[in-house]
Amino acid sequence: EVQLVQSGGGLVKPGGSLRLSCAASGFSFSHIWMSWLRQAPGKGLEWVGRIRSNTDGGTPEYATLAKGRFTISRDDSQNTLYLQMHSLRTEDTAFYYCITDDDAAYWGQGALVTVSS
Amino acid sequence: DVVLTQSPLSLPVTLGQPASISCRSSESLVHSDGTTYLSWFQQRPGQSPRRLIHKVSKRDSGVPDRFSGSGSGTDFALTINRVEADDVGIYYCMQGTHWPPYIFGQGTKLEIK
Repeated sequence: EVQLVQSGGGLVKPGGSLRLSCAASGFSFSHIWMSWLRQAPGKGLEWVGRIRSNTDGGTPEYATLAKGRFTISRDDSQNTLYLQMHSLRTEDTAFYYCITDDDAAYWGQGALVTVSS
Repeated sequence: DVVLTQSPLSLPVTLGQPASISCRSSESLVHSDGTTYLSWFQQRPGQSPRRLIHKVSKRDSGVPDRFSGSGSGTDFALTINRVEADDVGIYYCMQGTHWPPYIFGQGTKLEIK
């Protein structure tokens, strides 16, 4: 069974940093591209960025909202995806989801990031 | 960027009746590889989204056959035959053809009358 288990959400002050993790199981993680999406409370879904499999170069790509502040990485030895966020703003408050990058077939349970003073 | 416009945004339905949601794209969603990457998702209250349909009409594993997808080019639809109480939630269409990947419609809230 495919599972994506997220951790790392929480409350952070504006300008602060936070790292989200997404532990994958039930599929060959190292071969799969992965993405992060987010959803502000009561709002729609927004793509944050993706990372290719290491066999495809392992390089990340970012939405404009994430460029220069967010970094996506992966550790295939741990079957884990990461989203490191810096310089957080109140408008970054959202549920963050990791997904498999195959037309979003599988989703994590979400992690709430609240940016507030 | 491509814009996906869903209608209606609110959909009250009587139990056992059919329901249909439209998703219109500002550009054709036919990829250069010939595939149309249009998917549908269900988000129940308090849960993460779940994919129901991909590539316009391919039902995901475990999805009841009451759910069906149709359409081509720029016009797509999700149809639910015989709505059940368990179907309450927000439904999103999503395109994966154009950059940036994963553009979603605004969502359609289905509720029981």
